[in-house]
Amino acid sequence: NAGVMQNPRHLVRRRGQEARLRCSPMKGHSHVYWYRQLPEEGLKFMVYLQKENIIDESGMPKERFSAEFPKEGPSILRIQQVVRGDSAAYFCASSPAREEQYFGPGTRLTVT
Amino acid sequence: SQKIEQNSEALNIQEGKTATLTCNYTNYSPAYLQWYRQDPGRGPVFLLLIRENEKEKRKERLKVTFDTTLKQSLFHITASQPADSATYLCALPGAGTASKLTFGTGTRLQVTL
Repeated sequence: NAGVMQNPRHLVRRRGQEARLRCSPMKGHSHVYWYRQLPEEGLKFMVYLQKENIIDESGMPKERFSAEFPKEGPSILRIQQVVRGDSAAYFCASSPAREEQYFGPGTRLTVT
Repeated sequence: SQKIEQNSEALNIQEGKTATLTCNYTNYSPAYLQWYRQDPGRGPVFLLLIRENEKEKRKERLKVTFDTTLKQSLFHITASQPADSATYLCALPGAGTASKLTFGTGTRLQVTL
């Protein structure tokens, strides 16, 4: 059973560009979470999705950020018009239920 | 919102000794508490979950305790090995919406020979 997959692993964007981060959950997992980790800081919850539904987006900035988990395909975290402060590691996690979560290797976004 | 405190200072111990890490939380008592391990440049790895009605839980060389009166969890690694060197994160579910996790900043453990 393959683990949670994220791509790309590293992404460099210039200010003002768009960043698209992809996450394929573990097989059989219908719950997907996105977290952001800034250098020397803890993981911060962004959004929780189930297939075709956003369940909780309380941790996601209201502007420029969006997430989806379509019926087919991976979950996507989209950041429009990136700024330097968006540079961070973005982790996706999946879960079969609502307790332990299984994390992917992360996407490291660098905004230049 | 829940606030979690973990010792931000690195913990250095000798191989073979028992490492003890602390997680303190404020506000509401969660239904469960989780511990994760994170290595540099990698995603967290789930280790253990302990529920509010469980005082102690073990898995191989790992032991977790959960004291809801003190609002504290202790994480022990017995017979520690250099391969145990990593950052250990405490995580609690959110109030109401149980799914999202609030993480502590983690404690870095360094096991030396």
